[in-house]
Amino acid sequence: QSVLTQPAFVSGSPGQSITISCTGTSTDVGYNLVSWYQQRPGEVPKLIIYEVVKRPSGVSSRFSGSKSGNTALLTISGLQAEDEADYYCFSFAARSTLEVFGGGTKLTVL
Amino acid sequence: QVTLKESGPVLVKPTETLTLTCTVSGFSLSHPRVGVNWIRQAPGKALEWLGYTFSTDEKSYSASLKNRLTISKDTSNNQVVLRMTNMDPADTATYFCARSPTSYCSTGVCSPYYFDYWGRGVLVTVSS
Repeated sequence: QSVLTQPAFVSGSPGQSITISCTGTSTDVGYNLVSWYQQRPGEVPKLIIYEVVKRPSGVSSRFSGSKSGNTALLTISGLQAEDEADYYCFSFAARSTLEVFGGGTKLTVL
Repeated sequence: QVTLKESGPVLVKPTETLTLTCTVSGFSLSHPRVGVNWIRQAPGKALEWLGYTFSTDEKSYSASLKNRLTISKDTSNNQVVLRMTNMDPADTATYFCARSPTSYCSTGVCSPYYFDYWGRGVLVTVSS
């Protein structure tokens, strides 16, 4: 069981915005070193957000990251069919467990 | 450009030791704080970080698997090797290697915090 908690399922209609949460503690998410990955079916995970809010070159500006307390948030605006995928958060963890991927969230575009 | 490629057996028997190799190009394994990580994903399950090697020869492992894992690095051949002992059917998964361009260290614990390039992965099945 992951130490980072994500909702198992999220859905939205094309054009809408959705937010996926990743809840941890002060010893992981509290460090502002959270990253997010998109994994489409059959594909390799792709980095879409790092250090909570930064977007790698080439990633659509429709993806944005933020944080509130010990919960990191991934927001996808202007939802498109191609956004249908699994999304995972990952965080630095200042303790011995180091098992710091979230359990993943399956996004369905209705 | 940066590439990583996993290689190794696709089928291992229970109790055997798995050895996987990650061959990298486009960056140096001796660069400070750049790490190569091993991450796995069981069929239909979430990603699981296994461990990594970074800097000269530093390593860090998942607490739940550290007794079974060894990660080593051959800088001259641009390779990182994962060894996992006592394989079990529950270890059936796609094994990825991925680069972490930097690490964060706190209270003696160093950890990657993002992975910017990934290999395609290799599906390893554990079965007799």
